[in-house]
Amino acid sequence: GAVVSQHPSRVICKSGTSVKIECRSLDFQATTMFWYRQFPKQSLMLMATSNEGSKATYEQGVEKDKFLINHASLTLSTLTVTSAHPEDSSFYICSASLAGAGNEQFFGPGTRLTVL
Amino acid sequence: AQSVTQLGSHVSVSEGALVLLRCNYSSSVPPYLFWYVQYPNQGLQLLLKYTTGATLVKGINGFEAEFKKSETSFHLTKPSAHMSDAAEYFCAVRSSNAGNNRKLIWGLGTSLAVNP
Repeated sequence: GAVVSQHPSRVICKSGTSVKIECRSLDFQATTMFWYRQFPKQSLMLMATSNEGSKATYEQGVEKDKFLINHASLTLSTLTVTSAHPEDSSFYICSASLAGAGNEQFFGPGTRLTVL
Repeated sequence: AQSVTQLGSHVSVSEGALVLLRCNYSSSVPPYLFWYVQYPNQGLQLLLKYTTGATLVKGINGFEAEFKKSETSFHLTKPSAHMSDAAEYFCAVRSSNAGNNRKLIWGLGTSLAVNP
């Protein structure tokens, strides 16, 4: 149980286009989803926390208009990278968490974004 | 405020040798502590976690960690390394009083290499 999927696993796009990444909790309802960005050989950087039905809470330094997050249901959150540029190329990982103080985050397999 | 320090960004052991990955944390409230493993180009998988109760926690793949409050440590160990253990390991902490905010604070990661 507690499986999280991401789609697509890899995406290559041209500079200036927008890219949508989906994060789904397959066998549980996720009250909270998290979006991370990871640069090569580095730790995860939390971008935003998303609660179902409410606006995402962005971390300092993350552009809200650049990285649009929608958490429309308890099983789906989307991250849209708008007007992508080469510096947005990265590994994006989502995680989902159940309600309850002790529950861990279940991670998706990640999406490799390459902007040409 | 909370923080996590992983001593040693790279650790190399021989197959069959003891694995010891160090993690120290700081937290003004009782912490929840986690170890995650990441294989190349994949998401993160939970190895083990400490929330309350027994301070020696056993996880998957033969790993275990001991919460030592006096030393503010949560080191990860495995008695005998396998080649398949080669991966990136992340220690993370979050507050036990977080309420709805389940944000994790991440260490920078330790890359484990296992030599034949």
